[in-house]
Amino acid sequence: QSVLTQPPSASGTPGQRVTISCSGSSSNIGGNYVYWYQQVPGTAPRLLIYRNNQRPSGVPDHFSGSKSGTSASLAISGLRSDDEADYYCAVWDDSLSVVVFGGGTKLTVL
Amino acid sequence: QVQLQESGPGLVKPSQTLSLTCTVSGGAISSGSYYWSWIRQPAGKGLEWIGRFYSSGSTNYSPSLKSRVTISVDTSKNQFSLKLSSVTAADTAVYYCARGSGWSWFDPWGQGTLVTVSS
Repeated sequence: QSVLTQPPSASGTPGQRVTISCSGSSSNIGGNYVYWYQQVPGTAPRLLIYRNNQRPSGVPDHFSGSKSGTSASLAISGLRSDDEADYYCAVWDDSLSVVVFGGGTKLTVL
Repeated sequence: QVQLQESGPGLVKPSQTLSLTCTVSGGAISSGSYYWSWIRQPAGKGLEWIGRFYSSGSTNYSPSLKSRVTISVDTSKNQFSLKLSSVTAADTAVYYCARGSGWSWFDPWGQGTLVTVSS
């Protein structure tokens, strides 16, 4: 059971907006930057969002991140079929002295 | 652009030591202020951070693995390595190496290598 809680699954139709949540505590999300990773099955994870809401170059602008208190969210607007993947949040935990990952959310594009 | 590639045995016997190497190309491992990390993922499960080597020479390990893990760097070969001792079937996973610019910032990643612990 992960320190960070994500819904195991999410879904949407093409063009829709989908939000994936990541819930933590004051020792992790509450005091540190949140990162989001996308993993297409069979491939390595890819950095999607850094420092809560920043997109690396090359990441489409229909991905956005936000953080409030001890929770963070990844929003995907204008859903596309190639957005179908697993999504993980990650953050440093000050109490555990470890990088913690959420359990992952499998996004299905219907 | 920097690229990372893991290499090492795909099969390790229980109680033995798992040894993997990550070769960095497109940039010197000693340049810049980067963290060089290992992360693993059991089949069908989530990601687990193992530990990292910082360019200053310091290391950080996951407390759950600390007693069995060593991460080191060979700047002459532009490589960093992972050693995990006393392995069990629970250590079977795809192992990734990654460069980090911050505590939880991993970019880029290697393609990953599957290590199976079995007799």
